Amino acid sequence: AQSVAQPEDQVNVAEGNPLTVKCTYSVSGNPYLFWYVQYPNRGLQFLLKYITGDNLVKGSYGFEAEFNKSQTSFHLKKPSALVSDSALYFCAVSSGTYKYIFGTGTRLKVLA
Amino acid sequence: KAGVTQTPRYLIKTRGQQVTLSCSPISGHRSVSWYQQTPGQGLQFLFEYFSETQRNKGNFPGRFSGRQFSNSRSEMNVSTLELGDSALYLCASSFVVRGKGTDTQYFGPGTRLTVL
Repeated sequence: AQSVAQPEDQVNVAEGNPLTVKCTYSVSGNPYLFWYVQYPNRGLQFLLKYITGDNLVKGSYGFEAEFNKSQTSFHLKKPSALVSDSALYFCAVSSGTYKYIFGTGTRLKVLA
Repeated sequence: KAGVTQTPRYLIKTRGQQVTLSCSPISGHRSVSWYQQTPGQGLQFLFEYFSETQRNKGNFPGRFSGRQFSNSRSEMNVSTLELGDSALYLCASSFVVRGKGTDTQYFGPGTRLTVL
């Protein structure tokens, strides 16, 4: 069965430090991989995606993600965290079945 | 380009009533998906419509239904409301790449449903 795992419910990081939010997936074929961010009382906003090509994908607000096929991972990273990055982050995968599968979400807290 | 719009934004109903939520996708998007989001259960997939047909369905009871019109606008209906149906209902639209998958989903702001 296809699945997406975000192993951490919450990640705390100090402002200015690098951050990583983890995502692993299990899906057949060549998936599309996505990261979304959700601020309080808002819908999800698209951050970045991997479809094919370069394994390092750059997205909005200075975020990037690295696709690792052998580890079936797609971790979200940012070199220097901002307090305003505090939000709920979702990883998602889509494949030839057209189903969109979301992870359970990771709450990122950036401490001033 | 206008984003995904959802109406109404807020709704208060009582147990046993029914409710209809509306979603207008981004122009050109033919896939519309619905999600329920609650603090305890996270983001739960309800169903997806493509070209007026329900293509994928999540694990929700038959009280939850939806439809899509020829202009890709979609509605979802919840009958016989229960307290546990209180949630943020999100709609998302996207392009579909045939044989590959669903591309980026663009989300509306959601409808906050409160059942008393």
